[in-house]
Amino acid sequence: DAGITQSPRHKVTETGTPVTLRCHQTENHRYMYWYRQDPGHGLRLIHYSYGVKDTDKGEVSDGYSVSRSKTEDFLLTLESATSSQTSVYFCAISGSGPYGYTFGSGTRLTVV
Amino acid sequence: DQQVKQNSPSLSVQEGRISILNCDYTNSMFDYFLWYKKYPAEGPTFLISISSIKDKNEDGRFTVFLNKSAKHLSLHIVPSQPGDSAVYFCAASAVDSNYQLIWGAGTKLIIKP
Repeated sequence: DAGITQSPRHKVTETGTPVTLRCHQTENHRYMYWYRQDPGHGLRLIHYSYGVKDTDKGEVSDGYSVSRSKTEDFLLTLESATSSQTSVYFCAISGSGPYGYTFGSGTRLTVV
Repeated sequence: DQQVKQNSPSLSVQEGRISILNCDYTNSMFDYFLWYKKYPAEGPTFLISISSIKDKNEDGRFTVFLNKSAKHLSLHIVPSQPGDSAVYFCAASAVDSNYQLIWGAGTKLIIKP
């Protein structure tokens, strides 16, 4: 969807290195989410934001941090990547409540 | 503990027939349910939703049924088309959880010609 973009689309990194994934939206939506998708687990929430500088943890937040300094950008950082963080990461935006989540195309991250 | 369960990892259906995807939940506080569809290398896209005050919602070929007493919902696709081949995720939310979505593991639907 043109209103939300994720970068990079693919990344291979080494264990122990820091990694930052970017989510950018042009919809001016209040809520932004970071999920990871793994086989057998569906989508699991890592962190979410309900406004600039307002963020909170999801169910699988260990090893991840986020920042939102502008409405349009939500960054996910892996401070020291581990092999268990190999996954597909999706960003989503929402104007309000559970309605109309829009997802980015995902970032496939491989930690070797 | 998975609050939203999709017990069938995959489902194969003949083109033109009905596809029925199932979802069970455990949290009685869930009041809104959604189905998303996902193609490979793309993000999930919204398909259809239903509020807990309803037991059925239709949108073209797609119908979602909600059975609150059984804590069960299902998505019916009639007739099934090749473009329906995708992974389908069930999700649920509750007002007391700030409307965060809780997701099932997904069901891969394969439509056979």
